[in-house]
Amino acid sequence: QVTVKESGPALVKPTQTLTLTCTFSGFSLSTSGIRVSWIRQPPGKALEWLARIDWDDDEFYSTSLRTRLTISKDTSKNQVVLRMSNMDPVDTATYYCALISDGSGYPYFHYWGQGTLVTVSS
Amino acid sequence: DIQMTQSPSSLSASVGDRVTITCRASQSIGYYLNWYQQKPGKAPKLLMFGASSLQSGVPSRFSGRGSGTDFTLTISSLQPEDFATYYCQQSYSIPYTFGQGTKLDI
Repeated sequence: QVTVKESGPALVKPTQTLTLTCTFSGFSLSTSGIRVSWIRQPPGKALEWLARIDWDDDEFYSTSLRTRLTISKDTSKNQVVLRMSNMDPVDTATYYCALISDGSGYPYFHYWGQGTLVTVSS
Repeated sequence: DIQMTQSPSSLSASVGDRVTITCRASQSIGYYLNWYQQKPGKAPKLLMFGASSLQSGVPSRFSGRGSGTDFTLTISSLQPEDFATYYCQQSYSIPYTFGQGTKLDI
């Protein structure tokens, strides 16, 4: 059974760097084909994809946020970490981690964490 | 980036109604289109993948159609638990992108 859980600070100050951790169980991040993404959702707004890391350490980023994001993984802990620099109040959102699966070759966000709300305020 | 546009943004309906939500991609994405349902305070839940494949456990009143740039999600007979926000998402290319959502309420 796959479980996903996000963790991190609930409150960060403007200009600080946010560090979020996603902890998985039920599979290994080192398994071939495993891909994990971060997605966020400002209050009352739409979902926004942020980044993806693959089992082979390939990394992919949102076009608009790529200069501020770093995604990494710790296989020994079965964790994926997202860092977002220079936080601003507009980055206030619920941040989700999701495991990507394939159905007939079509990728989709299959297993989601419950999300963690991050508020950016001084 | 591929832009995903959903219509309508909101929709009022009643139990038993048939409703259709439309999603349009700014360029052809083949069948790389997924649909999610989200209820307040919860993570999104996958409904459909590959434009028309029903995720395991999702009721058969949900169906998806389309290819290329135009897609639809249809709920054949609305149930009380279907009142939620629905998002389309393309997985054809990175960056992945979502539609702006369609809020379905009574």
